[in-house]
Amino acid sequence: GENVEQHPSTLSVQEGDSAVIKCTYSDSASNYFPWYKQELGKGPQLIIDIRSNVGEKKDQRIAVTLNKTAKHFSLHITETQPEDSAVYFCAAAPNEKLTFGTGTRLTIIP
Amino acid sequence: GAVVSQHPSRVICKSGTSVKIECRSLDFQATTMFWYRQFPKKSLMLMATSNEGSKATYEQGVEKDKFLINHASLTLSTLTVTSAHPEDSSFYICSARARGQGAEQYFGPGTRLTVT
Repeated sequence: GENVEQHPSTLSVQEGDSAVIKCTYSDSASNYFPWYKQELGKGPQLIIDIRSNVGEKKDQRIAVTLNKTAKHFSLHITETQPEDSAVYFCAAAPNEKLTFGTGTRLTIIP
Repeated sequence: GAVVSQHPSRVICKSGTSVKIECRSLDFQATTMFWYRQFPKKSLMLMATSNEGSKATYEQGVEKDKFLINHASLTLSTLTVTSAHPEDSSFYICSARARGQGAEQYFGPGTRLTVT
């Protein structure tokens, strides 16, 4: 089955700076790569996703890049704000099921 | 659009009793719903996949007789934890996928279950 690794597990960034979270996956059949933001006590919220026929996607301050050859994808958050503090999960899907990474706790330092 | 609700948000039950959690897709028809379990500071672990009108498919290691899943309609799936024990205490999250949406899933807000 699919295996997704995520790094780093924790990340502290000064407000206004950029944050980058990286994930690798194992199954070359995976074709859908979403990123979720989870706040304490809440369900995951989809913030951006990318499909295998695209190398990069951007939505305001958030961008995701995908390298299918190397089997890795990354989340980029620019101009970070305190409300970006949360746990972020990547996921990969070779079929209808999502396999999640282990999560990154992002803390934005005011 | 694409809103998924869960009820209750929190539940406390006594050991040995059963508890039912509802998952509803509010503005779309969910052909497939998924149930996840999340331990503190851990990732989401898929428990089972349910398709409307058919039996749920459980992941390896998940007891189907303990975690009963019913996907009665295109907008409702339920998870019943039977004979709950303290080790069943966890955060249970459902997600729903609409027809033709590929792997895209929309998540509910989660249900915190505490078994005393």
